[in-house]
Amino acid sequence: GAVVSQHPSWVICKSGTSVKIECRSLDFQATTMFWYRQFPKQSLMLMATSNEGSKATYEQGVEKDKFLINHASLTLSTLTVTSAHPEDSSFYICSASSSGYEQYFGPGTRLTVT
Amino acid sequence: SQKIEQNSEALNIQEGKTATLTCNYTNYSPAYLQWYRQDPGRGPVFLLLIRENEKEKRKERLKVTFDTTLKQSLFHITASQPADSATYLCALGGSARQLTFGSGTQLTVLP
Repeated sequence: GAVVSQHPSWVICKSGTSVKIECRSLDFQATTMFWYRQFPKQSLMLMATSNEGSKATYEQGVEKDKFLINHASLTLSTLTVTSAHPEDSSFYICSASSSGYEQYFGPGTRLTVT
Repeated sequence: SQKIEQNSEALNIQEGKTATLTCNYTNYSPAYLQWYRQDPGRGPVFLLLIRENEKEKRKERLKVTFDTTLKQSLFHITASQPADSATYLCALGGSARQLTFGSGTQLTVLP
């Protein structure tokens, strides 16, 4: 149980284009989903928290107009990196949570912007 | 400022021994603390959660302690195996369920 998927697992895009990453909870309803970014050899940094049907709450320093988050259903959240630049290249990981404190993480999406 | 420190970036131990990983924090009052395992290129996998009013939690070969006075958690893996080799992350949880992660300890269990 508690399986979270992400799609795509990796993506390469040109600078200036937008990329959408999907996060799905496969066997449970996720009232809250979280988006993290992880640079090599570093820990996970929380970018934003989203509750189903509400606007996402962004952490300090994360541009909400650049990282668009939509949590339209209890099983799907999307992160769109708009006008991506090479410095946005990173490992993006989502997690999902239902009523408890445990967060279940997706396998991550490796984004490379050329 | 808030800080989470996990002992040594890397820890090598011999198979069969007990691995002990440390997580210290400052300027936090977490409601709970979690430990995760992360393999290269993968998302973290939840292992254990311990609440602020709990001293110890066990699950199979894993044991976690939580000392809110010392502001420290210890994570033990008994009878370690090479398959336990991974990066282990501690994460502090707040009232809004957001997690703040430490930088991790890379554990290598030598056969």
